[in-house]
Amino acid sequence: GESVGLHLPTLSVQEGDNSIINCAYSNSASDYFIWYKQESGKGPQFIIDIRSNMDKRQGQRVTVLLNKTVKHLSLQIAATQPGDSAVYFCAENYSLNTGTASKLTFGTGTRLQVTL
Amino acid sequence: EAQVTQNPRYLITVTGKKLTVTCSQNMNHEYMSWYRQDPGLGLRQIYYSMNVEVTDKGDVPEGYKVSRKEKRNFPLILESPSPNQTSLYFCASSGGLDRDSNQPQHFGDGTRLSIL
Repeated sequence: GESVGLHLPTLSVQEGDNSIINCAYSNSASDYFIWYKQESGKGPQFIIDIRSNMDKRQGQRVTVLLNKTVKHLSLQIAATQPGDSAVYFCAENYSLNTGTASKLTFGTGTRLQVTL
Repeated sequence: EAQVTQNPRYLITVTGKKLTVTCSQNMNHEYMSWYRQDPGLGLRQIYYSMNVEVTDKGDVPEGYKVSRKEKRNFPLILESPSPNQTSLYFCASSGGLDRDSNQPQHFGDGTRLSIL
């Protein structure tokens, strides 16, 4: 499969446990944040997003938390399954003006390994 | 099925031989973008397009060209490929990426280019 990072930080969790993946972003003016999942040999897949006027958003088995004070984003996966094994990375979006393309900056990712 | 399709998935070629990577999306998205992904560097934007006939440079545009003659297609052109362009390339599209209409980008499955 494709290698997306030779020295990515790795999080190992047991099947059924909850996973928390963290991300520090850089621009305090960023207004939109996205979590992606990338499996070997595939493109990044959208998981969940959150806008800067929120501090928490829940999806199916996933929750994203945003702490703008410390510029921190986290992804929580409940009841982690083997199929959750992948590289996860966050993206921060900075929008200057309406009609001007936003600047989307991606983190380098965290590898999640789910053990049985 | 909503998707972003890239071709080819894999290509090995030699320095200086012009090549084109095609990208097509069937979601009627206005915004399209090309990224390259290298170990330890994450996803870096090459070029983007906010609509037909509107393209702009991303973070690493040198050595690449793009065109947007139709809404669904956004080919990436390497006029004279060099070994430092060996990378994993992703095309993405979004329904909106400015202050008032941020939506997540949807990615293709990638094109692995090797320039010898």
